[in-house]
Amino acid sequence: GAVVSQHPSWVICKSGTSVKIECRSLDFQATTMFWYRQFPKQSLMLMATSNEGSKATYEQGVEKDKFLINHASLTLSTLTVTSAHPEDSSFYICSARDLAHTRYEQFFGPGTRLTVL
Amino acid sequence: GEDVEQSLFLSVREGDSSVINCTYTDSSSTYLYWYKQEPGAGLQLLTYIFSNMDMKQDQRLTVLLNKKDKHLSLRIADTQTGDSAIYFCAESISLYGQNFVFGPGTRLSVLP
Repeated sequence: GAVVSQHPSWVICKSGTSVKIECRSLDFQATTMFWYRQFPKQSLMLMATSNEGSKATYEQGVEKDKFLINHASLTLSTLTVTSAHPEDSSFYICSARDLAHTRYEQFFGPGTRLTVL
Repeated sequence: GEDVEQSLFLSVREGDSSVINCTYTDSSSTYLYWYKQEPGAGLQLLTYIFSNMDMKQDQRLTVLLNKKDKHLSLRIADTQTGDSAIYFCAESISLYGQNFVFGPGTRLSVLP
């Protein structure tokens, strides 16, 4: 099946620094990738939809200047949390849709746990 | 807007059947999904059902859809300890599967 990886799997950073999270589709091409965040014991909330070669579409309430998304190729999307603060600590999960696969399925990465001190 | 609800916890004994329920509000939902999340991991698609179906069975999993009541259920037969996880119900409004709306997740605990 289609595999999506994320790197790093966990990261701890100081308040005020920026953190980049990578999402890669390993064995398929993904025109669209999605970024979610999940707070402890809560559901996933869609942050933004990332289309290869174009600007990401952010959900209401998500600051695009704080969460920078770049989808430079069909296999890679990055999420940069700029000037991170403790309230940004969360589990960030990406998903990708396969061009050649059935349209209704998204393949999820394993997630990145961000802790901001 | 769209809303998906689930009960938050379910405990069953090993070998029993588990039934996880979900309700949704948007009648135009095209696809409904069940995902499994194990501790510290991403989501794994378990099964899905199209809105024009009533039931789908896949080995130990049975999905029932009552479109009139906007109710979806997942039955796991012969529940095992390895089934302990959080189960998310999700709906997709778009025909092309974008913008999933997830429920809060049901934490299934399987007791020996």
